[in-house]
Amino acid sequence: QKEVEQNSGPLSVPEGAIASLNCTYSDRGSQSFFWYRQYSGKSPELIMFIYSNGDKEDGRFTAQLNKASQYVSLLIRDSQPSDSATYLCAVTGGSYIPTFGRGTSLIVHP
Amino acid sequence: EAGVTQFPSHSVIEKGQTVTLRCDPISGHDNLYWYRRVMGKEIKFLLHFVKESKQDESGMPNNRFLAERTGGTYSTLKVQPAELEDSGVYFCASSPRESRGAFFGQGTRLTVV
Repeated sequence: QKEVEQNSGPLSVPEGAIASLNCTYSDRGSQSFFWYRQYSGKSPELIMFIYSNGDKEDGRFTAQLNKASQYVSLLIRDSQPSDSATYLCAVTGGSYIPTFGRGTSLIVHP
Repeated sequence: EAGVTQFPSHSVIEKGQTVTLRCDPISGHDNLYWYRRVMGKEIKFLLHFVKESKQDESGMPNNRFLAERTGGTYSTLKVQPAELEDSGVYFCASSPRESRGAFFGQGTRLTVV
């Protein structure tokens, strides 16, 4: 059974710091990796996707993928209180059907 | 551009009743997905449409759940008869391509009492 593991948190960081969110997955055949942000009571919002080993940067967000170690991470630089949300990791294989983790709650305090 | 729209936003029904959830995907998105999140658990895949065809329905829990996608546009998910364990938030998502991640609707919170 394919599994995606995330620390539920909450991860608490001060405003302006770097928040580091991690995700591990069990299926070595996984091909695509996504990070979604979900505010309380709202729908998940796609913020990053990554397919290749290494880093992918988009504004304050950087996704890092290491297929050999089967983990993907999301770094948020200059964290803002508005970044406080639950971050969901999703992983797909050849079927493109994503398996989601339970999410990590991030709290950015002023 | 309108996002993914789901109706209703909330539904409270009694055990044994029927409920139909509707999803209007983003225009032009061939891929439509249904997911469910039970409280405290992760989001679980239910099924995937490509246009009007069911590509993968391996996540459908049992035959009380029936999904359709008329003409490759909007989709409905019917639960008949509803059971207590069907309670949760049902999300619909759409995407133009399978590999690019999906855009989620606001979800329908279903409560079976």
